[in-house]
Amino acid sequence: DQQVKQNSPSLSVQEGRISILNCDYTNSMFDYFLWYKKYPAEGPTFLISISSIKDKNEDGRFTVFLNKSAKHLSLHIVPSQPGDSAVYFCAAKVSNFGNEKLTFGTGTRLTIIP
Amino acid sequence: EADIYQTPRYLVIGTGKKITLECSQTMGHDKMYWYQQDPGMELHLIHYSYGVNSTEKGDLSSESTVSRIRTEHFPLTLESARPSHTSQYLCASSEGRQEQFFGPGTRLTVL
Repeated sequence: DQQVKQNSPSLSVQEGRISILNCDYTNSMFDYFLWYKKYPAEGPTFLISISSIKDKNEDGRFTVFLNKSAKHLSLHIVPSQPGDSAVYFCAAKVSNFGNEKLTFGTGTRLTIIP
Repeated sequence: EADIYQTPRYLVIGTGKKITLECSQTMGHDKMYWYQQDPGMELHLIHYSYGVNSTEKGDLSSESTVSRIRTEHFPLTLESARPSHTSQYLCASSEGRQEQFFGPGTRLTVL
């Protein structure tokens, strides 16, 4: 049973517009969420994270929103740039003491159209 | 920028061979992880270590084994490779509760 779901395998967005990537989770114990970006033939790179005590975290062009009641989070990229074309993974963990295991979604391939 | 290295980057090998995938990090991180990822699928945790001489199985069952004799080194071994082991293997490390930093991965193909 997949505890972290990214239901859109792919997304295409015009350069300069907003990209919105979505992620749903089923485990109500998850209290920390992360987004990673992955280029082909490279390992994932950390982008941004959010704790369950917040509903929004912003870092430059990247903003993550968390809706705990809906068990849903989203990553907004604005404005989108060609270099943002990559696969984006949502991940979650239960951050009790010492537990750092991440559960990943299947990823969304974002393509920015020039 | 995180410094975590994996070798080899690509490996094509025949069935029955013993292989070791290397992972090293120069950041002194106490925690290290091995993930397996097939195309279009999520990353699955197969092994993790929270320090020297500490190793645990992850959420996905794997026939591979790991060791953690030194802080910076976390090799993964397959005693007898099979075609079902064909996948990408990603190593990661972290410190405390910080995010995990990933290596570039090893793409393994077993013929």
